[in-house]
Amino acid sequence: KQEVTQIPAALSVPEGENLVLNCSFTDSAIYNLQWFRQDPGKGLTSLLLIQSSQREQTSGRLNASLDKSSGRSTLYIAASQPGDSATYLCAVPANPNFGNEKLTFGTGTRLTIIP
Amino acid sequence: EPEVTQTPSHQVTQMGQEVILRCVPISNHLYFYWYRQILGQKVEFLVSFYNNEISEKSEIFDDQFSVERPDGSNFTLKIRSTKLEDSAMYFCASIRLAGFNTGELFFGEGSRLTVL
Repeated sequence: KQEVTQIPAALSVPEGENLVLNCSFTDSAIYNLQWFRQDPGKGLTSLLLIQSSQREQTSGRLNASLDKSSGRSTLYIAASQPGDSATYLCAVPANPNFGNEKLTFGTGTRLTIIP
Repeated sequence: EPEVTQTPSHQVTQMGQEVILRCVPISNHLYFYWYRQILGQKVEFLVSFYNNEISEKSEIFDDQFSVERPDGSNFTLKIRSTKLEDSAMYFCASIRLAGFNTGELFFGEGSRLTVL
């Protein structure tokens, strides 16, 4: 059974710093990994989807990497801004033999950017 | 940009009452899902739906739950007799094609259910 862990559970950094969020998963036979953002009491916004054949994916100030063999992904946020404050979730397919729609989520990292 | 919409945003109900949560998936999507998130816990898969039938469901999705696509646009989750432990945020999601390497799953803003 796939398990997803995110460390740290919470992180506070001053505005402007670069930061890295970590995600690890137990079954490395995944087809992709998706990073989401969740604002308090709100829905899930997809940030990046990395296919298993990719090592990284970039969108603006965000860069996600994937190392399947070690069961890890990182989300790098450059030049952090107060608007980046949110909970960041990573998710992988619950069963590697199925597609990407039944996802197993981590508990998330709650990020606070201090102005 | 197309989006998944959910109603109501918040519903308060008494234990034992029936609740229907509604979702309008993105128009050209074919696969639909419900997830839930109990406060402070992980987002959990409930059920997937394709071609007017359930394709997969989790252990959470017991006989108290049902899903339906009553018309060409709505996708509903019904909880027949709510329990206190059903209090959670319920997310609807959709994707155009399921399977491998088919793109992102799009989520709605969620419906918060509070059972008293």
